[in-house]
Amino acid sequence: EIVLTQSPGTLSLSPGDRATFSCRVSQNIRGSYLAWYQQKPGQAPRLLLDGASTRATGIPDRFSGSGSGTDSTLTISRLEPEDFAVYYCQHYGGTPPSPPTTFGQGTRLEIK
Amino acid sequence: QVQLVQSGAEVKKPGASVIVSCKASGYTFSRYALHWVRQAPGQRLEWMGWVNTDDGNTKISERFQGRVTFTRDTSASTAYMELSKLRSEDTATYYCARGYTIFGLITRPFDFWGQGTLITVSS
Repeated sequence: EIVLTQSPGTLSLSPGDRATFSCRVSQNIRGSYLAWYQQKPGQAPRLLLDGASTRATGIPDRFSGSGSGTDSTLTISRLEPEDFAVYYCQHYGGTPPSPPTTFGQGTRLEIK
Repeated sequence: QVQLVQSGAEVKKPGASVIVSCKASGYTFSRYALHWVRQAPGQRLEWMGWVNTDDGNTKISERFQGRVTFTRDTSASTAYMELSKLRSEDTATYYCARGYTIFGLITRPFDFWGQGTLITVSS
């Protein structure tokens, strides 16, 4: 079974800082089948990146992604106040015996 | 604009069943699968399964086999999730989310989500 492990658990930064989130996958996957979401309290997740690095519609260019194989990274180049939230990675496209999709446990980005 | 609007919060007793609806608008309903994802308080997102809105076929996570049913009503552009034999551990927010599947494979992430439905299971 594919397991996604995100690090760190919590990231404490200030507006204007650069934020880097990591997602490690337990198996070598096709890099394009990894996505990133942002979730604010009381809201549904919002798709940020598709295929590890392609921004979803309306996502500002301060969000970027990279990676392949087993490691993927989400970077926010310069934090805005509205960026403080929880970030999840998702693997999709899984085939048996793996589930079709799996989420990481999330990284909380908090204001320092 | 694409919207997924879910039914409201519910409180259920252990052993009962609950049905959550998800009404889609702003796109052709049958062109996209609708997935169901839940999130227990403070926990990660957990995928439950999907319904093929075109032919009604479903794919259910092993964790929920025997307890969950996904259906859809194409005339109403609405999908439904029924979870039975509720227990306290099922207390969570349940989301529907639009996805794209081909031959049973999820080929794109979930680009639109419902607002979530809180289901509380308590005696």
